[in-house]
Amino acid sequence: GAVVSQHPSRVICKSGTSVKIECRSLDFQATTMFWYRQFPKQSLMLMATSNEGSKATYEQGVEKDKFLINHASLTLSTLTVTSAHPEDSSFYICSARGSGQDSGTQYFGPGTRLTVL
Amino acid sequence: GESVGLHLPTLSVQEGDNSIINCAYSNSASDYFIWYKQESGKGPQFIIDIRSNMDKRQGQRVTVLLNKTVKHLSLQIAATQPGDSAVYFCAENNNAGNMLTFGGGTRLMVKP
Repeated sequence: GAVVSQHPSRVICKSGTSVKIECRSLDFQATTMFWYRQFPKQSLMLMATSNEGSKATYEQGVEKDKFLINHASLTLSTLTVTSAHPEDSSFYICSARGSGQDSGTQYFGPGTRLTVL
Repeated sequence: GESVGLHLPTLSVQEGDNSIINCAYSNSASDYFIWYKQESGKGPQFIIDIRSNMDKRQGQRVTVLLNKTVKHLSLQIAATQPGDSAVYFCAENNNAGNMLTFGGGTRLMVKP
């Protein structure tokens, strides 16, 4: 149980393109989803927290107009990187937590490798 | 500010030996801790967790120890196998924010 998927797993795009990444909880309802970014050989950095049906809460330094998050259902959250630039190239990972699960436990998706040319 | 950190960035062990990965945390309000394993190009995988009202918890081949006095967390892996090679992250949960704060990670390398 507690499986989280992401799509796509890898995307290469031109500078200026917008890219949408999907995060799905496959076998549980995720009331809260989290989006992280991870640069090579570094730890995970939380970008934003989203609760189903409400606006996402962004961490300091993360531009909400550049990283659009939508959590429209209990099983799906999307992250859209708008007008992507090479510095946005990174490994984006989502995680999900259900209402019935241990407080704090997050289950992670496999990640999406974004390369902006 | 409050942070979670690791003492050793890289740990190299012989196959079959026991591994110990350490983590220091500084937020005394944290009440829940998790160890994650991350293989190259993949998302973090839950290994084991522990709440602050416990000082030890065991899983299959893994044990987590929590010392709240010195704010120290460790992950012990028994009979380390090549498949254990990965980066291990500790994470702490601040119940007030219900968010995870990750440490810097330790790379475990298992020599055959």
